[in-house]
Amino acid sequence: QKEVEQNSGPLSVPEGAIASLNCTYSDRGSQSFFWYRQYSGKSPELIMSIYSNGDKEDGRFTAQLNKASQYVSLLIRDSQPSDSATYLCAVNEKQLTFGSGTQLTVLP
Amino acid sequence: NAGVTQTPKFRILKIGQSMTLQCTQDMNHNYMYWYRQDPGMGLKLIYYSVGAGITDKGEVPNGYNVSRSTTEDFPLRLELAAPSQTSVYFCASSYDYEKLFFGSGTQLSVL
Repeated sequence: QKEVEQNSGPLSVPEGAIASLNCTYSDRGSQSFFWYRQYSGKSPELIMSIYSNGDKEDGRFTAQLNKASQYVSLLIRDSQPSDSATYLCAVNEKQLTFGSGTQLTVLP
Repeated sequence: NAGVTQTPKFRILKIGQSMTLQCTQDMNHNYMYWYRQDPGMGLKLIYYSVGAGITDKGEVPNGYNVSRSTTEDFPLRLELAAPSQTSVYFCASSYDYEKLFFGSGTQLSVL
């Protein structure tokens, strides 16, 4: 059974710090990797996708992928209180498999 | 833009009752999905569809049924509701089976 594992947290960082969110996956055949953000009581929304080994940057967000280690991460630079949410890692082989999410709190 | 619309937003069922969760998308997406999310957990795939007339089971299909008669609509049917089906249900659609657009969710309690 395909698995996607995340530290559930909660993870707390001070405003302006770097938040690091991690995810491991079990299916070596996975080719596509995603980060969704979910505010409390709301639906998930896609914030990053990554397909190749290395880093992909989008504004304050950087996704990192290491297929050999079956590891994907999300870095949030200059964290803001508005970044406080649950971050879901998703991995695609045939259909998306989601991790249980990491709850991030950015403290003012 | 409406995107993915789910109804109802909240519902309380008694054990053994049945209901249909409605989902409509106006983005002409071929792929549609139903997920459930239990507290503190990730999303579990119930059923999905790759186009009108085609549906398939996901990870947790027991106790549910779906149909896809049009591209726009993908209703989820709960038969004989059980307390284990208490959850938040999300419908989603996608044009490429990877980047999903979610509805606002339905919070269902079975008592």
